[in-house]
Amino acid sequence: EPEVTQTPSHQVTQMGQEVILRCVPISNHLYFYWYRQILGQKVEFLVSFYNNEISEKSEIFDDQFSVERPDGSNFTLKIRSTKLEDSAMYFCASSRTRQGLGNYGYTFGSGTRLTVV
Amino acid sequence: ELKVEQNPLFLSMQEGKNYTIYCNYSTTSDRLYWYRQDPGKSLESLFVLLSNGAVKQEGRLMASLDTKARLSTLHITAAVHDLSATYFCAVDMVGNNNDMRFGAGTRLTVKP
Repeated sequence: EPEVTQTPSHQVTQMGQEVILRCVPISNHLYFYWYRQILGQKVEFLVSFYNNEISEKSEIFDDQFSVERPDGSNFTLKIRSTKLEDSAMYFCASSRTRQGLGNYGYTFGSGTRLTVV
Repeated sequence: ELKVEQNPLFLSMQEGKNYTIYCNYSTTSDRLYWYRQDPGKSLESLFVLLSNGAVKQEGRLMASLDTKARLSTLHITAAVHDLSATYFCAVDMVGNNNDMRFGAGTRLTVKP
């Protein structure tokens, strides 16, 4: 079964450093997302991406965050200057269609655990 | 702003028993999802409910959607230990480009 692949599985970084989280969505999917989950808390939407541009973003997704699809297969999330409160599990997801047009859900990757020290 | 509320947040039940998890949401939506998450793992899609009155079943789990009441339920029948996990409902905002909001999750523990 096709998978969404995320690397690395765990990243430790010093406060103020830049990090790039990488995702390879399912190849025939067109919509891409980043979510995060602070330990023991609910899953929070960060950003959705379609046709090489951001289609929706949450209030969490401020100027410190950016996304990119640099080469047609990878989908990256960059945090420019990490803060302690950025420590969380970051999930990438992809979907084949815009939701509601068919019986398709989202496929989530296994996540990157980011620890900011 | 769309709010999604689940209850209970914690559920401990005996094997063989039945129980229902509830998911309420605050604004119009006709797309609701249920996910399962095992500790330290990713989110596994269980159900996608797309219309009022939708009911889907997979094994011991059955999900339903009432868009008029803005309520979805996840019913567990004759629970087994393997069902122990955290279950999240999530709702898409109508008119938005895939902006799915999650409930807080229900941590289910099934005891022998």
